[in-house]
Amino acid sequence: DTEVTQTPKHLVMGMTNKKSLKCEQHMGHRAMYWYKQKAKKPPELMFVYSYEKLSINESVPSRFSPECPNSSLLNLHLHALQPEDSALYLCASSPPHWGIEAFFGQGTRLTVV
Amino acid sequence: GQQVMQIPQYQHVQEGEDFTTYCNSSTTLSNIQWYKQRPGGHPVFLIQLVKSGEVKKQKRLTFQFGEAKKNSSLHITATQTTDVGTYFCAGTGGGNKLTFGTGTQLKVEL
Repeated sequence: DTEVTQTPKHLVMGMTNKKSLKCEQHMGHRAMYWYKQKAKKPPELMFVYSYEKLSINESVPSRFSPECPNSSLLNLHLHALQPEDSALYLCASSPPHWGIEAFFGQGTRLTVV
Repeated sequence: GQQVMQIPQYQHVQEGEDFTTYCNSSTTLSNIQWYKQRPGGHPVFLIQLVKSGEVKKQKRLTFQFGEAKKNSSLHITATQTTDVGTYFCAGTGGGNKLTFGTGTQLKVEL
């Protein structure tokens, strides 16, 4: 299994809603990532988990809250988002250190209304 | 912080023409990776370069890593419509932080 599975594929939420994005991989990768991608822009790193511990937070607003319950799962909890947070949210995984192929999920296309 | 720029931003070619995208980092890179993202899709890993001056080929694609490990290029020979997409370089200065380049969007016309 060489897939990273993200759910849901599409999400529309209001600014007062709470929602969660989910990511799952069964490749035994011990590093997992959240990226945000706006239209016609490159992916921007948000968070990195290494061995289930948060190792990098790229100064992301607290309305985004990551969670890594175990080595196969990664969640991104969303609360009180703004319309400008609308984007494609990508999850990726790799062995613990960059330098080896990273696998990206298909992403969750988020619209905040 | 580390910045990775790519040129050109867009490229339209006729099928059969060659295509090159250039990637330049503001800092020395430990390695560089290339990804392809089809319209509406997600980034897909193409290759990784690690050594100074390294050249790798994958069928019609040729990848180079500069001697100073601050620049890289991707050349596609005789483009096909299946090559359509955005090509990103992505580099690490070390550790788990991968910084993506600004990307080059390739369109191929028949």
